[in-house]
This record gives sequence, structure tokens and C-alpha cells, in this order.
Amino acid sequence: GESVGLHLPTLSVQEGDNSIINCAYSNSASDYFIWYKQESGKGPQFIIDIRSNMDKRQGQRVTVLLNKTVKHLSLQIAATQPGDSAVYFCAENKGSNDYKLSFGAGTTVTVRA
Amino acid sequence: NAGVTQTPKFRILKIGQSMTLQCTQDMNHNYMYWYRQDPGMGLKLIYYSVGAGITDKGEVPNGYNVSRSTTEDFPLRLELAAPSQTSVYFCATLEARKLFFGSGTQLSVL
Repeated sequence: GESVGLHLPTLSVQEGDNSIINCAYSNSASDYFIWYKQESGKGPQFIIDIRSNMDKRQGQRVTVLLNKTVKHLSLQIAATQPGDSAVYFCAENKGSNDYKLSFGAGTTVTVRA
Repeated sequence: NAGVTQTPKFRILKIGQSMTLQCTQDMNHNYMYWYRQDPGMGLKLIYYSVGAGITDKGEVPNGYNVSRSTTEDFPLRLELAAPSQTSVYFCATLEARKLFFGSGTQLSVL
């Protein structure tokens, strides 16, 4: 997704605080969104997803919010831990027949002890 | 169940050399992908395959070739390595609209 001024490439957060990672997506036809976490030296791993018929979805310590009006997606991490330090990517998909996900540039989260 | 396995993990090539990045999966997923990730950047799709015998270009296919003779294997071939191909390469499979990634191959072309 392309940035519309809400996307920050880096985020530094104090351990125990909540983190909010933003992502702007580009295609209004996208109906499925995913957040991935990439730790240093590893491939991206699935965190949480949301379909376009939802505004919010919660997982374990993570919440994804979707605002289709402004084409904005956010990932909230509660009580951030050192193990949350990673690069976080959002990805969008334009339909169940679209086999290619488009990735954002990523936000590097650093957790301060 | 190993998931997606990539080899090698690291490789240094000289300009003009060729090599094959290996990717194999044991999840019986039909869809497979090759992405490259440049420093500080997102993932760019190189090639993908929707099943054995079927491949198609992604966003950045130039300088690469792929084949898919079996469901399990999806090798990526660099014929004439160039410095612009220095990157980290990830292979992935798709199931239920979610990608499952290998651990990557870090390639440097000098």
C-alpha cells in the first residue's frame, strides 16, 4: 500500500506500552487484509487478518482496525514486549480469485526496556 | 512438517554467474511465490505459480526464470547475476489467502 502520510517507517515504544502501527492501502477493491511480522533473519509470519465486511478484529494481544472510508488499516499491540521487536507489514488482497498479495513498505518496531 | 524450505541461506555470486535458489514445500499447497526484499523495503513479487506446470510473472521478473515440475518444488534461476539482484529472496506458499514463507536466501552479487 502507498503511504498517505500516516505510515511511519520506524516506531520506538516502551516495554509495557501499547503500540499502534498504521498502514494505508491503495485499492478500494481490496477485500482482505493481513498483518505479517518479520523478525530479524526470518521470513514474515502471519499475525492477524480482517475482511472488508468487518471494522475490527481481535487476537491475542493484537487488534486490527479497518477504516474503508479512508483506506486505512492499523495494528494495535497491547502491553508491548521485547519479543514484539520486528518489522510489521500490512498486505491487501483484491478478492478470492486474486492470488497475489500486495505488501506495504513495513514499519520497524523497536521495544525499549 | 517442515513447511517451506529454502536453500542455500547465504550465497555470494560474481557478476555474470548463474545459480538456482531452491524452494520446496511439504504442505501440498498449489500456489507458490518468489519475492525479493531489498533493505528497508517491502516485498516485491518476482514470479508465482498456481500449480505444477503453470508459472506467471510478478512485478519484477526481469533477470529471473522459474519452473514448476512438481507441486513440492519451485526453483528460481538467475542466469547472469547482476549487482541489482543483491537482495533477500523469499519463497512462499498460499493457503486460505494466507502466505507461508520460508526463512529466505540472502544473495550478494559482487
